[in-house]
Amino acid sequence: DAGVIQSPRHEVTEMGQEVTLRCKPISGHDYLFWYRQTMMRGLELLIYFNNNVPIDDSGMPEDRFSAKMPNASFSTLKIQPSEPRDSAVYFCASSFARGGLSSYNEQFFGPGTRLTVL
Amino acid sequence: QKEVEQNSGPLSVPEGAIASLNCTYSDRGSQSFFWYRQYSGKSPELIMFIYSNGDKEDGRFTAQLNKASQYVSLLIRDSQPSDSATYLCAVNPAANTGFQKLVFGTGTRLLVSP
Repeated sequence: DAGVIQSPRHEVTEMGQEVTLRCKPISGHDYLFWYRQTMMRGLELLIYFNNNVPIDDSGMPEDRFSAKMPNASFSTLKIQPSEPRDSAVYFCASSFARGGLSSYNEQFFGPGTRLTVL
Repeated sequence: QKEVEQNSGPLSVPEGAIASLNCTYSDRGSQSFFWYRQYSGKSPELIMFIYSNGDKEDGRFTAQLNKASQYVSLLIRDSQPSDSATYLCAVNPAANTGFQKLVFGTGTRLLVSP
């Protein structure tokens, strides 16, 4: 399997522009997560989906951020308008929940998108 | 108070020594605990997880959990230069948030010198 695929790997944009990050989860996985990582705040969960449905978006910083998962093999994270403080590495991860009491299963991370907003 | 706290380091140990990485968490109802390793410029990868109090061993790695003290640690025996990375502690909060959600600490950077 190719693993979680993210694009682009690097994005440089100017303040005020719209940015769209893309993610293809591992085939067969039913959970998808979007994280943001900065030196100051570490790795923060923004939103996660189960079977394409958003479950928890409490980590989305503000209305400028939105995420969609139109089907099981594709998700987007959009920032509009972008600001310099959005500069970070954005990771997408996916997992497959087998169920049961210990139903947590390993989250597999993509390579990340390094976003720089000037 | 942060939900998951780690010393940022760097923690420097010589090759062959035991590296001890520590993590505390604030949510007493937390269910499960994870250690991820992240090499510079790469994505996190799972090393170990632990649910029950006590120790769990996997090769050179041992995870230790003490729920009463809200403390989890990772021991790396016979440390190698290839273990040099940032180690992220992650916690699954109280059960009603779902078993899939993780809260990460900011990580401890480990440096193993030859």
